[in-house]
Amino acid sequence: DAGITQSPRHKVTETGTPVTLRCHQTENHRYMYWYRQDPGHGLRLIHYSYGVKDTDKGEVSDGYSVSRSKTEDFLLTLESATSSQTSVYFCAIGAGVDRVNYGYTFGSGTRLTVV
Amino acid sequence: EDQVTQSPEALRLQEGESSSLNCSYTVSGLRGLFWYRQDPGKGPEFLFTLYSAGEEKEKERLKATLTKKESFLHITAPKPEDSATYLCAVNHRNSGGSNYKLTFGKGTLLTVNP
Repeated sequence: DAGITQSPRHKVTETGTPVTLRCHQTENHRYMYWYRQDPGHGLRLIHYSYGVKDTDKGEVSDGYSVSRSKTEDFLLTLESATSSQTSVYFCAIGAGVDRVNYGYTFGSGTRLTVV
Repeated sequence: EDQVTQSPEALRLQEGESSSLNCSYTVSGLRGLFWYRQDPGKGPEFLFTLYSAGEEKEKERLKATLTKKESFLHITAPKPEDSATYLCAVNHRNSGGSNYKLTFGKGTLLTVNP
């Protein structure tokens, strides 16, 4: 998607290994989000950021950490991957509530499989 | 507890058969309701933002409306290419009240048969 890139697109990893997913934006947007999407649960918020070094937890943050050292990059880390973290992960960016008629743009997703 | 509920979970229509999808919400500090379309294997694609009760937005065969507690996505004379999952999301204050977050419903899977 224009302005937002997720990497990798697919990853298979073993239980207990650390994994980092990257979200990169070229829109200079303030807000960045990490969601996971699972059948029957929809999109659930993991963590989000409202500025450089400013992050907050979402509803399913256990087992995940994030970092945002610069505006364009938001990293999601699974410290020790478990099978329950097998999912599709989406990053989203947004200009924030002070912009008229704003919307949030999503990346293409990362399909993570933990075996 | 903040909640966004979409109904029905799945809807099957014949081409040309109009219908509506519902999104109801209970959140504090609402600052916008969004509708997205998601095709299989892709990220959600932004459709509309609604800010206040009574507001309406239209795009081709889709029209979104908003009341104080719910939003409707009306689909007029749908075509097979409208088949997708439609997601509703609300932007609202977090529990600390200091920032905003985006909470999604589980979506409605729409299938339009030719």
